[in-house]
Amino acid sequence: DAGVIQSPRHEVTEMGQEVTLRCKPISGHDYLFWYRQTMMRGLELLIYFNNNVPIDDSGMPEDRFSAKMPNASFSTLKIQPSEPRDSAVYFCASRTRRDRGPRKDEQYFGPGTRLTVT
Amino acid sequence: AQRVTQPEKLLSVFKGAPVELKCNYSYSGSPELFWYVQYSRQRLQLLLRHISRESIKGFTADLNKGETSFHLKKPFAQEEDSAMYYCALATGANNLFFGTGTRLTVIP
Repeated sequence: DAGVIQSPRHEVTEMGQEVTLRCKPISGHDYLFWYRQTMMRGLELLIYFNNNVPIDDSGMPEDRFSAKMPNASFSTLKIQPSEPRDSAVYFCASRTRRDRGPRKDEQYFGPGTRLTVT
Repeated sequence: AQRVTQPEKLLSVFKGAPVELKCNYSYSGSPELFWYVQYSRQRLQLLLRHISRESIKGFTADLNKGETSFHLKKPFAQEEDSAMYYCALATGANNLFFGTGTRLTVIP
């Protein structure tokens, strides 16, 4: 298994443009998480899904941010319009149900997408 | 509300010296705590969890409910320990709350 896959790995865009980040979770995992990493705030949870349904989006900073999970193998995080303060590394993570297996609590992270908004 | 505090953004120690990365938490329920690590050019990954009471790569962490702490310790630091370390708290829900992270640098 290639693990959690994210694309693109790097994205540079101009302020005002729409940005779409993509994530493919590990097959069979029920939960998918989107995080944002910055120097000042560390790793922040933006939103998470269970069985493709958004459960908690309280971490989504503004209405400019939206996330979807149309099926069990794909999720997107969209920023429209983008602003320079959105520059960060965005991580996707997945895990299985907490009552399954010896490492049921472990979240598996993707390599991240480094977003730069100029 | 839940909160995880890592007071040190940067920590440098010499090779062979003891290292302690501090983590304090705030949570009214029964906490489950973890340490995640991100080595250079690698993915963020789980290092250890308090319920396992395990030692991974020489690191240990003891949950101290009285002090609401979960500090990560290693008696003799190695150069390969240089990385970003995150303390994380799992609540009764299904998500993790991460601290702001500590970047550990082990000086040869």
